[in-house]
Amino acid sequence: GAVVSQHPSWVICKSGTSVKIECRSLDFQATTMFWYRQFPKQSLMLMATSNEGSKATYEQGVEKDKFLINHASLTLSTLTVTSAHPEDSSFYICSLAHGGIWGGGTQYFGPGTRLTVL
Amino acid sequence: GENVEQHPSTLSVQEGDSAVIKCTYSDSASNYFPWYKQELGKGPQLIIDIRSNVGEKKDQRIAVTLNKTAKHFSLHITETQPEDSAVYFCAASSLNDYKLSFGAGTTVTVRA
Repeated sequence: GAVVSQHPSWVICKSGTSVKIECRSLDFQATTMFWYRQFPKQSLMLMATSNEGSKATYEQGVEKDKFLINHASLTLSTLTVTSAHPEDSSFYICSLAHGGIWGGGTQYFGPGTRLTVL
Repeated sequence: GENVEQHPSTLSVQEGDSAVIKCTYSDSASNYFPWYKQELGKGPQLIIDIRSNVGEKKDQRIAVTLNKTAKHFSLHITETQPEDSAVYFCAASSLNDYKLSFGAGTTVTVRA
């Protein structure tokens, strides 16, 4: 399967600061990546779909101005949590689709980034 | 949109026994059904998947079955081992929507 990395693996920041999380595809070019958020003991919630070279598509209820996504290359997508607050503390996970996104392309997930906002 | 329900929410089995997790989906257009294993503090790992043109798929101790008529699919783990302890998620996607809809997850504990 595809290999996905995330950096950092965990981050602690003060309320009001911004945090950038990187998601990298290590072994193939990904035109589409996905960003999920997972709260403790809950399932994965899709935040947005990141498309290389174009604007991301956000899910309903996700603030695009707060969660900035940049998919500048075929191997890198970044998620920036702007003006983070304690309620943004969560586990952020990226994934990429191998074999095309339509009709059931296999999604491979990164190891996740634990964000704690004090 | 797609709604995936997963049962049970927790499952405790004796080492060596089998574990079965069941999921139902609502969208008859769904045609791809992956299963993920998530260990504490880690990202989900794809363990097996099945597409709608087959009814069963097996990979060593893990098998998945699909009943398209009833719109449900199941994960079977045989000869469970302590390292099988984790949270398991089922998911579904369709030709019409690339997004994965996840079940709520099942916490599996294998007792030694």
